[in-house]
Amino acid sequence: GQQVMQIPQYQHVQEGEDFTTYCNSSTTLSNIQWYKQRPGGHPVFLIQLVKSGEVKKQKRLTFQFGEAKKNSSLHITATQTTDVGTYFCAGPRDSGNTPLVFGKGTRLSVIA
Amino acid sequence: GAGVSQSPSNKVTEKGKDVELRCDPISGHTALYWYRQSLGQGLEFLIYFQGNSAPDKSGLPSDRFSAERTGGSVSTLTIQRTQQEDSAVYLCASSRPLASPNTGELFFGEGSRLTVL
Repeated sequence: GQQVMQIPQYQHVQEGEDFTTYCNSSTTLSNIQWYKQRPGGHPVFLIQLVKSGEVKKQKRLTFQFGEAKKNSSLHITATQTTDVGTYFCAGPRDSGNTPLVFGKGTRLSVIA
Repeated sequence: GAGVSQSPSNKVTEKGKDVELRCDPISGHTALYWYRQSLGQGLEFLIYFQGNSAPDKSGLPSDRFSAERTGGSVSTLTIQRTQQEDSAVYLCASSRPLASPNTGELFFGEGSRLTVL
């Protein structure tokens, strides 16, 4: 079945440094979603990308969807301690409204 | 309620006992999902409901796991004869199905942390 892989598994950065996490799917995705889970919390939706090559920005966060719709990335500029948490990408397992398959996430630590 | 509500928030049980976990989704959300998250791990899909029917039960780890949803709202996940490997946080999420290629964003509850001794 469809698999979603994320790298790196962990990332430690100094506050102010940039951070990027990458997501790769074994199959073409109709869309991809990103979630953030703070330590001790539950996943919270960040964004959904639908179009090939799409780029969306949310303040210091930049999300990209690959041209082939099989990969995606999340880039954070000038990280802050509030960015700490685990970032998950997720894609529909099949076409249509099917359950999301989540990557294992990238855990971000920010050192002040 | 305003968000997805799960209960209990914490459950400690002895190996071999049955447990029930409850999820109350956001009003009007027809889709409901159960995921499991082991310590420091990703989200493992368990089961999905559209209304009261479960078109996809493929993620249930064994026949000790079952779930139902009544009235298109509240769902209960039951684990019979619990084992230590069942210890995890069980997350429920709800969403509004949208037309493809969009998939409704998932709204997660706080989770039920299950510890099997």
